[in-house]
Amino acid sequence: DTGVSQDPRHKITKRGQNVTFRCDPISEHNRLYWYRQTLGQGPEFLTYFQNEAQLEKSRLLSDRFSAERPKGSFSTLEIQRTEQGDSAMYLCASSLAARQREAPLHNYGYTFGSGTRLTVV
Amino acid sequence: DAKTTQPNSMESNEEEPVHLPCNHSTISGTDYIHWYRQLPSQGPEYVIHGLTSNVNNRMASLAIAEDRKSSTLILHRATLRDAAVYYCIISPHPAGGTSYGKLTFGQGTILTVHP
Repeated sequence: DTGVSQDPRHKITKRGQNVTFRCDPISEHNRLYWYRQTLGQGPEFLTYFQNEAQLEKSRLLSDRFSAERPKGSFSTLEIQRTEQGDSAMYLCASSLAARQREAPLHNYGYTFGSGTRLTVV
Repeated sequence: DAKTTQPNSMESNEEEPVHLPCNHSTISGTDYIHWYRQLPSQGPEYVIHGLTSNVNNRMASLAIAEDRKSSTLILHRATLRDAAVYYCIISPHPAGGTSYGKLTFGQGTILTVHP
């Protein structure tokens, strides 16, 4: 397993266009998270899934944002009608969850991808 | 999640030990202390986490105060590759129930390592 993969690495789009990002987590991880990070700030939580169920969404996730994880494997994050304020790094992470408690403690850490950098012009 | 306080920045020389402090006075009895770091142009990377006892792994050591209101991440011999932003996060164990899933990042400590 090569870790968490995100595609594309960079995306430049015009304001008002829709964009979609993809995240492929570590295969045995059943939790998947999306974060957004702007320059000089720590990552901000957007949403997370356990298997295919979306369990929590931040209030940062406006109606223009939607995330899916249809088969409990890869996930997509779509932003509709992009605005300049959406410019940021979008990070995906995956981890183990409760039912896999038999794993060593350190295995519960998050593994992040390298992110997709979105620039809205 | 409990709030954490970290210095904005710290500096170290290569091959010297680095002690990165974190205050978390509102930590609850079941909260874990997590440390992640973020190298330039990369996503955050898990470093270590613990509950009450000090923890060691190949990357670092975590020293937890007896009252658990503070902790220190120790890099025993800093290298240039350790230059990163270090985040201290307090959260229930990530393997807990469905409400325990997310980690909340602050602004972290920017560590600069001088050759």
